[in-house]
This record gives sequence, C-alpha cells and structure tokens, in this order.
Amino acid sequence: AQSVTQPDIHITVSEGASLELRCNYSYGATPYLFWYVQSPGQGLQLLLKYFSGDTLVQGIKGFEAEFKRSQSSFNLRKPSVHWSDAAEYFCAVAPMEYGNKLVFGAGTILRVKS
Amino acid sequence: DVKVTQSSRYLVKRTGEKVFLECVQDMDHENMFWYRQDPGLGLRLIYFSYDVKMKEKGDIPEGYSVSREKKERFSLILESASTNQTSMYLCASSERDTQYFGPGTRLTVL
Repeated sequence: AQSVTQPDIHITVSEGASLELRCNYSYGATPYLFWYVQSPGQGLQLLLKYFSGDTLVQGIKGFEAEFKRSQSSFNLRKPSVHWSDAAEYFCAVAPMEYGNKLVFGAGTILRVKS
Repeated sequence: DVKVTQSSRYLVKRTGEKVFLECVQDMDHENMFWYRQDPGLGLRLIYFSYDVKMKEKGDIPEGYSVSREKKERFSLILESASTNQTSMYLCASSERDTQYFGPGTRLTVL
C-alpha cells in the first residue's frame, strides 16, 4: 500500500532562517506529489504540486519543492521563513492509476520564533 | 477561484444522534471527497464520489455513509454518532488531479 512519511512532527525555526520539511513516499512508480498548508482553524491550501518534468517546482508564498526519484522524496523548502508561515504542512501523493485519491502524511507543525 | 463550503464550522452532538455534514462546491467538479483529520494521523479518506449518485468507500468508511444527489453537493452522514467520531471533517472537490478543500467542520460528540 502507498504511504507517506513526514519524519518531523514539529519543527521550530527562527524568523528569517531557511526551512526544509521532509517527505518520503512509498510507491512503485512516480506518483503525483503535493504539499498543502493548513493555518490554525482553516482548511488546506495547495502550496505546490509535481506531476512530471522539471524536478524543482515553485509554489505560492515563496515555497519550492524538489522531487528526487532515487530517494523517493519530495522535500519542501523556503529560503527565509516569515512569522506568518507558522502552520501545519502536509505532504500528499496520488498514485496515478487510482485517479486522484490522495494519501496524506501525518503532517509537520512549523513554529516560527522571532 | 474554486470555492468549497461546509455547512458548519463547529458542531456539538450527543451520542446516538444522526448527524449530517454538508459540503457544496461551485466549480462543477466531478469528484468530491470526505476526510477526517486527527492529530498525528493526517487526513484519512472516508468516502469519495466520482459522479452524482456514485460513491466509493475510502480507507475508514465504518460508521459513515454519504449522499450525492446533486453534482455540487456531497453529504456525510453519521447514522448514530459516537464519541470516537469526534474529529475535524474536511470536504474536498477536484476535476482532475488537484483537490481543493473546504474550511472544515469540527465535530464534538458528547
């Protein structure tokens, strides 16, 4: 069965510091890959997605993610974190032959200290 | 912009009550989904629908049912609510490969 692992439950970074959130997936082929963000009390907002092509994808709010097939990873990065980035981040995969059913990781809660 | 709305942000019900959670999308999407979100578990798929009157079980359908009588509306039903169904419920819709989420309903069952 497909699975998504986000190894870090919580991460704390200082405002202005760089950020990397890790995501690994378990699947035989290359799935569709997504990162979503959830601010407190809100629904999920799509940050970026990867289907094919260039393995470095740009998203909203200054985020980017890099797909590495050899590592089955899709890590999310931001060069300089802002206090408003404090939220929970979810990595998700959609195995291509199952349409767009998503399998989510457990999430990483980002805290930003000033 | 895609808009997905859910009928309630917060809901408190008693054990044994029948509970309806409503979701409406305004983008004529074929696909709609219901998830529950619990701390440390991420989002888990309860049911999804690829078309009107069509539904398929997700990963945790037990204790839930769904209804899709119109394309824009997808309802989640708890036939007899139990305390272990206290959770955040998220609805989503999609046309192709990207899902768009509503704000969520936080349900508490006492």
